[in-house]
Amino acid sequence: GDSVTQMEGPVTLSEEAFLTINCTYTATGYPSLFWYVQYPGEGLQLLLKATKADDKGSNKGFEATYRKETTSFHLEKGSVQVSDSAVYFCALHTGNQFYFGTGTSLTVIP
Amino acid sequence: DVKVTQSSRYLVKRTGEKVFLECVQDMDHENMFWYRQDPGLGLRLIYFSYDVKMKEKGDIPEGYSVSREKKERFSLILESASTNQTSMYLCASSFPGQGQETQYFGPGTRLLVL
Repeated sequence: GDSVTQMEGPVTLSEEAFLTINCTYTATGYPSLFWYVQYPGEGLQLLLKATKADDKGSNKGFEATYRKETTSFHLEKGSVQVSDSAVYFCALHTGNQFYFGTGTSLTVIP
Repeated sequence: DVKVTQSSRYLVKRTGEKVFLECVQDMDHENMFWYRQDPGLGLRLIYFSYDVKMKEKGDIPEGYSVSREKKERFSLILESASTNQTSMYLCASSFPGQGQETQYFGPGTRLLVL
């Protein structure tokens, strides 16, 4: 069945470090791919999305490219800030089904 | 901006109690969802609804029921709360978008069952 696998956390980085959170998916159709972010004490909110192969989603310095050949949607940011500390969820949507990864906790230290 | 609100941020109940979690969205979205979030398990879908009075089981519906009498409101009911239902419950809504839907989440209800 369809699924999403993302890298285990937690991840701890120093401010201004480069961030990569890996996400791969399995889908029979042509899914849309999403990254959601959950700040402490809050619900999830959309960070970025891509709806077809080779699309790049970007927002707040984060970006991810929909790679159909490697079934991946890795999240990257060139220089993280303390305010980026949160839990990040990769997700896919296909047909009327949504699938979420288990979440990756990121802590950025000054 | 879409706003999804949940009736309580924190709730403490006793085993066997009937528990109601309410969710309201203000953007006329057809679709509404209930998830539970547990460490290491991510989000798991409990129930969803594509229209008023319609409901579909998600991945873990056992021990839960839902009600959608009005478009803006989607209620999750724990018929007889048990300790293994201690969790964070997240409500979400979306507008049908042919596989490209963004889900909008409420802040969550953290439920403790004693």
